[in-house]
Amino acid sequence: DAGITQSPRYKITETGRQVTLMCHQTWSHSYMFWYRQDLGHGLRLIYYSAAADITDKGEVPDGYVVSRSKTENFPLTLESATRSQTSVYFCASNWGLGETQYFGPGTRLLVL
Amino acid sequence: DQQVKQNSPSLSVQEGRISILNCDYTNSMFDYFLWYKKYPAEGPTFLISISSIKDKNEDGRFTVFLNKSAKHLSLHIVPSQPGDSAVYFCAASDNNAGNMLTFGGGTRLMVKP
Repeated sequence: DAGITQSPRYKITETGRQVTLMCHQTWSHSYMFWYRQDLGHGLRLIYYSAAADITDKGEVPDGYVVSRSKTENFPLTLESATRSQTSVYFCASNWGLGETQYFGPGTRLLVL
Repeated sequence: DQQVKQNSPSLSVQEGRISILNCDYTNSMFDYFLWYKKYPAEGPTFLISISSIKDKNEDGRFTVFLNKSAKHLSLHIVPSQPGDSAVYFCAASDNNAGNMLTFGGGTRLMVKP
């Protein structure tokens, strides 16, 4: 399917476990982004990538790792999940500066 | 410190009336502003945007107004429809700093039939 997809859509894990959230886009957009949505904070940028093998920190990067070996994929890994990482995670992509960001449907993560 | 703020967490209006959603920002370097709409269990979708060189942009029932001196923007929806019920996020970017958006906390709009 064309567009931007995220998997899994829902995930329950335990404190200390490693979790990887997947993001895939079919538009060949250069830029990809990871946000988390928390009540009262809106969406906050975790990491972004300008192209394959180029990544950079956003506002709240601590506890997260990203990689981008292929243009279409941008996985987000929580190396040792904490309860404070319970959130809804959104992936987005766009062509570049000034272009609209298109969002995936989100992954709801619960860390027990 | 939040650079983009939406001070009203929720807003309720009657169908057919005007909905006005407000957004304030503190970073004077922001030069591009957007509104996104979000339904439950879905990702945000782009609604309308405005560049800092303009003070108004209109698209059908949606109009965004920008007051740079007050660092304030607003989204007007006229007439409001029940399908407009959603969470609306204001976002801003400084295109000289890169391709990143800073979001407000969101306002939940409820349009009553």
